[in-house]
Amino acid sequence: NAGVTQTPKFRVLKTGQSMTLLCAQDMNHEYMYWYRQDPGMGLRLIHYSVGEGTTAKGEVPDGYNVSRLKKQNFLLGLESAAPSQTSVYFCASQPGVDTGELFFGEGSRLTVL
Amino acid sequence: GQNIDQPTEMTATEGAIVQINCTYQTSGFNGLFWYQQHAGEAPTFLSYNVLDGLEEKGRFSSFLSRSKGYSYLLLKELQMKDSASYLCAVRDSNYQLIWGAGTKLIIKP
Repeated sequence: NAGVTQTPKFRVLKTGQSMTLLCAQDMNHEYMYWYRQDPGMGLRLIHYSVGEGTTAKGEVPDGYNVSRLKKQNFLLGLESAAPSQTSVYFCASQPGVDTGELFFGEGSRLTVL
Repeated sequence: GQNIDQPTEMTATEGAIVQINCTYQTSGFNGLFWYQQHAGEAPTFLSYNVLDGLEEKGRFSSFLSRSKGYSYLLLKELQMKDSASYLCAVRDSNYQLIWGAGTKLIIKP
């Protein structure tokens, strides 16, 4: 029972490089989220999706793009990485917006030099 | 603006009881969540309160007062494995979660 899986777990980028983080869930959840977590701050929502083919901006969307071509996958892209994007990224999923808990992936630690 | 406040760090003794407070100011309210996060790991769900009162789940209890914008998480019979960060989050009128910065709980023998 995999739940929510994120790849890669760790990545080091140089400023200006691009990369994609993949989130996959096997629980048939409609809602998926990308958060970033920085020291001393709460989780901040980057983008989210309410279903296959839909995406929406969260609190801190600048510098990121997302796609939800398949219900089980939610991709987060950085087109031109900046040091300010050094963070731990968490993907989460939820059956519906009014249900309780979020199910989180293990996190992806990204360092931009 | 929307704001969630919780203490940055707390220390408690193994076997004791600790209360972690959370106060919030949000645009609407559709529930309050507590998550536990061990260092280097993902947050895991602990509790959910949408009505005033106390919800008990084993050694953990969570209390909510909507009129005061206040919640607490009570941990009893503390164990070393309870050393973690505890995150308070409120779901606002748009059903978005607003997260506190977390309280790092240190358990001493």
